[in-house]
Amino acid sequence: GDSVTQMEGPVTLSEEAFLTINCTYTATGYPSLFWYVQYPGEGLQLLLKATKADDKGSNKGFEATYRKETTSFHLEKGSVQVSDSAVYFCALRVVEGGGADGLTFGKGTHLIIQP
Amino acid sequence: GAGVSQSPRYKVAKRGQDVALRCDPISGHVSLFWYQQALGQGPEFLTYFQNEAQLDKSGLPSDRFFAERPEGSVSTLKIQRTQQEDSAVYLCASSRRAAGGASYGYTFGSGTRLTVV
Repeated sequence: GDSVTQMEGPVTLSEEAFLTINCTYTATGYPSLFWYVQYPGEGLQLLLKATKADDKGSNKGFEATYRKETTSFHLEKGSVQVSDSAVYFCALRVVEGGGADGLTFGKGTHLIIQP
Repeated sequence: GAGVSQSPRYKVAKRGQDVALRCDPISGHVSLFWYQQALGQGPEFLTYFQNEAQLDKSGLPSDRFFAERPEGSVSTLKIQRTQQEDSAVYLCASSRRAAGGASYGYTFGSGTRLTVV
Protein backbone atom coordinates (compact mmCIF):
# COMPACT_ATOMS: atom_id res chain seq x y z
CA GLY A 1 0.00 0.00 0.00
CA ASP A 2 0.88 3.65 -0.14
CA SER A 3 3.00 5.08 2.65
CA VAL A 4 4.94 8.17 3.65
CA THR A 5 8.01 8.23 5.89
CA GLN A 6 9.30 11.47 7.33
CA MET A 7 12.02 12.28 9.79
CA GLU A 8 11.03 12.07 13.40
CA GLY A 9 11.08 15.09 15.62
CA PRO A 10 11.20 17.21 17.43
CA VAL A 11 13.58 19.19 15.29
CA THR A 12 14.97 22.16 17.20
CA LEU A 13 16.74 24.96 15.35
CA SER A 14 17.83 28.49 16.03
CA GLU A 15 16.21 31.37 14.21
CA GLU A 16 17.68 31.98 10.73
CA ALA A 17 19.02 28.43 10.48
CA PHE A 18 18.58 26.31 7.35
CA LEU A 19 15.81 23.73 7.53
CA THR A 20 15.45 20.34 5.89
CA ILE A 21 12.70 17.88 6.77
CA ASN A 22 13.11 14.62 4.88
CA CYS A 23 10.18 12.82 3.31
CA THR A 24 10.17 9.65 1.24
CA TYR A 25 7.22 7.73 -0.12
CA THR A 26 6.04 4.49 -1.64
CA ALA A 27 3.03 4.49 -3.90
CA THR A 28 1.24 1.99 -6.11
CA GLY A 29 0.41 4.64 -8.67
CA TYR A 30 1.66 8.06 -9.70
CA PRO A 31 1.14 10.32 -6.68
CA SER A 32 0.68 13.99 -6.11
CA LEU A 33 2.76 15.15 -3.14
CA PHE A 34 1.94 17.67 -0.45
CA TRP A 35 3.27 19.33 2.66
CA TYR A 36 0.73 20.37 5.26
CA VAL A 37 1.41 22.45 8.37
CA GLN A 38 -0.44 22.41 11.67
CA TYR A 39 0.09 25.41 13.94
CA PRO A 40 -0.80 25.01 17.62
CA GLY A 41 -4.56 24.93 18.09
CA GLU A 42 -5.31 25.20 14.38
CA GLY A 43 -6.36 22.88 11.59
CA LEU A 44 -4.11 21.45 8.92
CA GLN A 45 -3.19 23.92 6.21
CA LEU A 46 -1.79 23.14 2.81
CA LEU A 47 1.74 24.56 2.62
CA LEU A 48 2.77 23.47 -0.86
CA LYS A 49 2.27 20.75 -3.44
CA ALA A 50 3.73 19.15 -6.56
CA THR A 51 1.81 17.01 -9.00
CA LYS A 52 4.50 15.59 -11.28
CA ALA A 53 8.15 14.64 -11.28
CA ASP A 54 10.65 17.52 -11.04
CA ASP A 55 7.93 19.99 -10.06
CA LYS A 56 8.93 22.37 -7.27
CA GLY A 57 6.29 23.52 -4.84
CA SER A 58 6.95 26.71 -2.91
CA ASN A 59 5.19 28.93 -0.41
CA LYS A 60 6.19 31.27 2.44
CA GLY A 61 9.88 30.65 1.75
CA PHE A 62 9.48 26.86 1.91
CA GLU A 63 10.32 24.67 -1.07
CA ALA A 64 10.09 20.99 -1.96
CA THR A 65 10.99 19.23 -5.21
CA TYR A 66 9.23 16.06 -6.43
CA ARG A 67 12.07 13.58 -7.01
CA LYS A 68 10.70 10.47 -8.68
CA GLU A 69 14.09 8.77 -8.93
CA THR A 70 14.59 8.89 -5.16
CA THR A 71 10.86 8.87 -4.27
CA SER A 72 11.42 11.92 -2.11
CA PHE A 73 9.83 15.29 -1.41
CA HIS A 74 12.09 16.97 1.16
CA LEU A 75 10.97 20.27 2.66
CA GLU A 76 13.52 23.09 2.85
CA LYS A 77 13.70 26.69 4.00
CA GLY A 78 16.74 28.88 3.90
CA SER A 79 16.12 30.91 7.06
CA VAL A 80 13.54 29.82 9.60
CA GLN A 81 11.63 32.10 11.94
CA VAL A 82 10.09 31.50 15.35
CA SER A 83 6.68 31.71 13.69
CA ASP A 84 7.53 28.59 11.65
CA SER A 85 7.26 26.47 14.79
CA ALA A 86 4.57 23.90 14.02
CA VAL A 87 4.03 20.28 13.04
CA TYR A 88 4.73 19.51 9.38
CA PHE A 89 3.13 16.60 7.56
CA CYS A 90 4.21 15.12 4.27
CA ALA A 91 1.37 13.50 2.33
CA LEU A 92 0.56 11.87 -0.96
CA ARG A 93 -2.49 11.17 -3.02
CA VAL A 94 -2.63 8.68 -5.85
CA VAL A 95 -5.03 10.00 -8.43
CA GLU A 96 -7.22 7.31 -9.91
CA GLY A 97 -10.04 8.18 -12.24
CA GLY A 98 -13.47 8.11 -10.68
CA GLY A 99 -12.42 6.88 -7.29
CA ALA A 100 -12.05 8.50 -3.93
CA ASP A 101 -8.61 9.82 -3.26
CA GLY A 102 -7.91 10.28 0.40
CA LEU A 103 -4.53 11.57 1.45
CA THR A 104 -1.90 9.30 2.99
CA PHE A 105 0.04 11.21 5.64
CA GLY A 106 3.36 10.74 7.35
CA LYS A 107 3.51 10.84 11.13
CA GLY A 108 4.48 14.48 11.24
CA THR A 109 7.62 16.35 12.29
CA HIS A 110 7.43 18.80 15.15
CA LEU A 111 9.61 21.83 14.39
CA ILE A 112 10.70 24.12 17.20
CA ILE A 113 12.49 27.37 16.36
CA GLN A 114 14.28 29.09 19.21
CA PRO A 115 14.98 32.84 19.15
CA GLY B 1 -19.10 29.86 6.16
CA ALA B 2 -15.55 30.95 5.64
CA GLY B 3 -14.02 27.67 6.74
CA VAL B 4 -14.79 24.11 7.73
CA SER B 5 -16.46 24.08 11.12
CA GLN B 6 -16.43 21.10 13.44
CA SER B 7 -18.32 20.60 16.67
CA PRO B 8 -17.91 19.94 19.45
CA ARG B 9 -14.29 21.00 19.74
CA TYR B 10 -13.76 18.60 22.64
CA LYS B 11 -15.75 15.56 23.68
CA VAL B 12 -15.25 13.29 26.66
CA ALA B 13 -17.22 10.05 26.55
CA LYS B 14 -17.46 7.16 28.94
CA ARG B 15 -16.56 3.84 27.42
CA GLY B 16 -19.63 2.33 25.83
CA GLN B 17 -21.35 5.63 25.08
CA ASP B 18 -22.36 6.66 21.58
CA VAL B 19 -21.02 9.95 20.19
CA ALA B 20 -21.85 12.11 17.18
CA LEU B 21 -19.37 14.51 15.66
CA ARG B 22 -20.50 17.22 13.27
CA CYS B 23 -18.81 18.79 10.28
CA ASP B 24 -20.03 21.89 8.44
CA PRO B 25 -18.05 22.11 5.20
CA ILE B 26 -17.52 25.23 3.18
CA SER B 27 -20.74 26.07 1.37
CA GLY B 28 -20.88 24.50 -2.07
CA HIS B 29 -18.02 22.10 -1.51
CA VAL B 30 -18.68 18.81 -3.24
CA SER B 31 -16.15 16.55 -1.55
CA LEU B 32 -16.03 15.82 2.17
CA PHE B 33 -13.52 13.64 3.99
CA TRP B 34 -13.19 12.36 7.53
CA TYR B 35 -9.79 11.54 9.04
CA GLN B 36 -8.72 10.13 12.40
CA GLN B 37 -5.53 11.46 14.00
CA ALA B 38 -4.20 9.54 16.97
CA LEU B 39 -1.78 11.25 19.33
CA GLY B 40 1.63 11.66 17.73
CA GLN B 41 0.47 10.26 14.41
CA GLY B 42 -0.53 11.63 11.07
CA PRO B 43 -4.17 11.73 10.04
CA GLU B 44 -5.59 8.50 8.63
CA PHE B 45 -8.36 8.42 6.05
CA LEU B 46 -11.74 7.20 7.26
CA THR B 47 -14.34 7.94 4.62
CA TYR B 48 -15.23 10.13 1.64
CA PHE B 49 -18.45 11.71 0.37
CA GLN B 50 -19.16 13.25 -2.99
CA ASN B 51 -22.27 15.31 -2.31
CA GLU B 52 -24.58 12.93 -0.40
CA ALA B 53 -23.03 9.74 -1.76
CA GLN B 54 -20.52 7.91 0.42
CA LEU B 55 -18.11 6.69 -2.23
CA ASP B 56 -15.44 5.23 0.02
CA LYS B 57 -15.68 3.99 3.59
CA SER B 58 -12.71 1.67 3.46
CA GLY B 59 -10.91 3.48 6.28
CA LEU B 60 -13.62 3.07 8.91
CA PRO B 61 -11.97 0.88 11.56
CA SER B 62 -15.04 -1.10 12.58
CA ASP B 63 -18.79 -1.35 12.14
CA ARG B 64 -19.14 0.88 15.21
CA PHE B 65 -18.20 3.80 12.99
CA PHE B 66 -20.85 5.30 10.74
CA ALA B 67 -20.90 8.50 8.70
CA GLU B 68 -23.64 10.26 6.81
CA ARG B 69 -24.19 13.37 4.72
CA PRO B 70 -27.89 13.18 3.87
CA GLU B 71 -28.30 16.50 2.06
CA GLY B 72 -24.85 16.81 0.64
CA SER B 73 -23.70 19.49 3.05
CA VAL B 74 -23.38 18.85 6.80
CA SER B 75 -21.89 15.49 7.75
CA THR B 76 -22.04 13.52 10.98
CA LEU B 77 -19.58 10.88 12.11
CA LYS B 78 -21.14 8.56 14.67
CA ILE B 79 -19.24 6.16 16.87
CA GLN B 80 -21.24 3.58 18.76
CA ARG B 81 -20.16 1.89 21.99
CA THR B 82 -16.97 3.95 22.19
CA GLN B 83 -13.74 2.25 23.23
CA GLN B 84 -10.54 3.76 24.61
CA GLU B 85 -8.75 3.14 21.32
CA ASP B 86 -11.23 5.52 19.67
CA SER B 87 -9.59 8.42 21.50
CA ALA B 88 -8.19 10.69 18.79
CA VAL B 89 -8.74 13.93 16.96
CA TYR B 90 -11.32 13.55 14.20
CA LEU B 91 -10.68 15.86 11.28
CA CYS B 92 -13.07 16.87 8.54
CA ALA B 93 -11.94 18.30 5.21
CA SER B 94 -13.85 19.59 2.21
CA SER B 95 -13.10 20.56 -1.36
CA ARG B 96 -15.06 22.31 -4.06
CA ARG B 97 -14.09 19.67 -6.60
CA ALA B 98 -15.00 16.04 -6.95
CA ALA B 99 -12.42 13.34 -6.48
CA GLY B 100 -9.87 12.68 -9.15
CA GLY B 101 -8.52 16.17 -9.66
CA ALA B 102 -4.77 16.13 -9.31
CA SER B 103 -4.25 19.69 -8.26
CA TYR B 104 -7.09 20.65 -5.98
CA GLY B 105 -6.62 21.07 -2.28
CA TYR B 106 -8.68 20.43 0.77
CA THR B 107 -9.63 22.78 3.57
CA PHE B 108 -9.41 21.11 6.96
CA GLY B 109 -11.41 21.91 10.05
CA SER B 110 -9.76 22.26 13.46
CA GLY B 111 -11.04 18.86 14.50
CA THR B 112 -12.91 17.31 17.40
CA ARG B 113 -10.74 15.86 20.14
CA LEU B 114 -12.48 12.75 21.49
CA THR B 115 -11.34 11.27 24.78
CA VAL B 116 -12.89 8.00 25.90
CA VAL B 117 -12.52 7.31 29.61
